[in-house]
Amino acid sequence: RKEVEQDPGPFNVPEGATVAFNCTYSNSASQSFFWYRQDCRKEPKLLMSVYSSGNEDGRFTAQLNRASQYISLLIRDSKLSDSATYLCVVNRDDKIIFGKGTRLHILP
Amino acid sequence: DTAVSQTPKYLVTQMGNDKSIKCEQNLGHDTMYWYKQDSKKFLKIMFSYNNKELIINETVPNRFSPKSPDKAHLNLHINSLELGDSAVYFCASSLQGVYGYTFGSGTRLTVV
Repeated sequence: RKEVEQDPGPFNVPEGATVAFNCTYSNSASQSFFWYRQDCRKEPKLLMSVYSSGNEDGRFTAQLNRASQYISLLIRDSKLSDSATYLCVVNRDDKIIFGKGTRLHILP
Repeated sequence: DTAVSQTPKYLVTQMGNDKSIKCEQNLGHDTMYWYKQDSKKFLKIMFSYNNKELIINETVPNRFSPKSPDKAHLNLHINSLELGDSAVYFCASSLQGVYGYTFGSGTRLTVV
């Protein structure tokens, strides 16, 4: 079983819709959590950190459930520019582990 | 003013050659990483250095040797390149891994 698991997608979603991604991690000793975004042929870029209390940044909301070892990302009012691969990232003992990513296509 | 810069951006070389990729960060971060992203787009950690000290060394062939002359630089030397080494190599840095990681723009290595 991979340490960080995500549905690879692709998710094809009409512009303006709400879309949610989930991620599970297997090691309960994991310490910090992030969502990254990677555009085609570009480097991953930090989208947001994820906290147990939940955090919001504009149209993006992230949530961590430590008991279930589950991380989520919600995108509201999706834009064409949100099309990308979204990577769930977990930090354990200074080792950052990436999920394989979920591909999102926003359709006009 | 690039935060994490890697050179070269593209590298095409023949099997059996030795090559190096350089990485520098000007963010004052204390930890630097090398990641490999293969054709299936999976990002896998190779090495991590904290203040010039190797702290993570994943199952990577001995042909790959990282070197950190100071905490702002982490270079990757690859001996006897093989076809399977073709991938995009990303350098990244962080401050104790707590506040997220900043990536370089990647080095696309093609071994022919």
